Amino acid sequence: EVVLTQSPATLSLSPGERATLSCRASQSVSSYLVWYQQKPGQAPRLLIYDASNRATGIPARFSGSGSGTDFTLTISSLEPEDFAVYYCQQRSNWPRTFGQGTKVEIK
Amino acid sequence: EVQLLESGGGLVQPGGSRRLSCAASGFTFSSYYMTWVRQAPGKGLEWVSTITGSGTTTYYADSVKGRFTIARDSSKNTLFLHMSSLRAEDTAVYYCAKERSGYGYYDYWGQGTLVTVSS
Repeated sequence: EVVLTQSPATLSLSPGERATLSCRASQSVSSYLVWYQQKPGQAPRLLIYDASNRATGIPARFSGSGSGTDFTLTISSLEPEDFAVYYCQQRSNWPRTFGQGTKVEIK
Repeated sequence: EVQLLESGGGLVQPGGSRRLSCAASGFTFSSYYMTWVRQAPGKGLEWVSTITGSGTTTYYADSVKGRFTIARDSSKNTLFLHMSSLRAEDTAVYYCAKERSGYGYYDYWGQGTLVTVSS
């Protein structure tokens, strides 16, 4: 099973600041890494697929990068609605696995 | 507009059974893989099971293999999760999700249904 480790667990930032979230895989997943955003009481929302492709309707301030075992989600300038929990997920292997999440909170 | 609406959650005793349903609309249901993902209270996301569009192939997490069965009825555009031998650790919100077929990621999610396993 591919283990995904996200860091940091919590990121405390102010609106307008840049957020950098990390996801590390226990073995190579090529570029088959996905990012989701989840707000309290809501279902997850697809942000980025295959490491760097924004899903439909996702603002350009969200970007993804990486390949192999190391991946990054960057939010260039935080908007109030971006404070949420972010999960990475790999689609390279069965079983599909998720990281434990990074919470982006208002400082 | 794609819509996924789960139902069937509730309180179940340990060792009991429950069937979850997910009514799908807004897309050609039989053309897409469908998946169940769960989230224990205050915890992260856990993939549970996936079924292909035809229903001929299924995949399960080790934690539910042999206890849960995923199925679909394309005549009713409905996805199911039959859960048996339920344990306290199965307590979670269960989401159904539409997979961008064959690609292993989930572009639409339902709102979730809570299953609580407790005596």
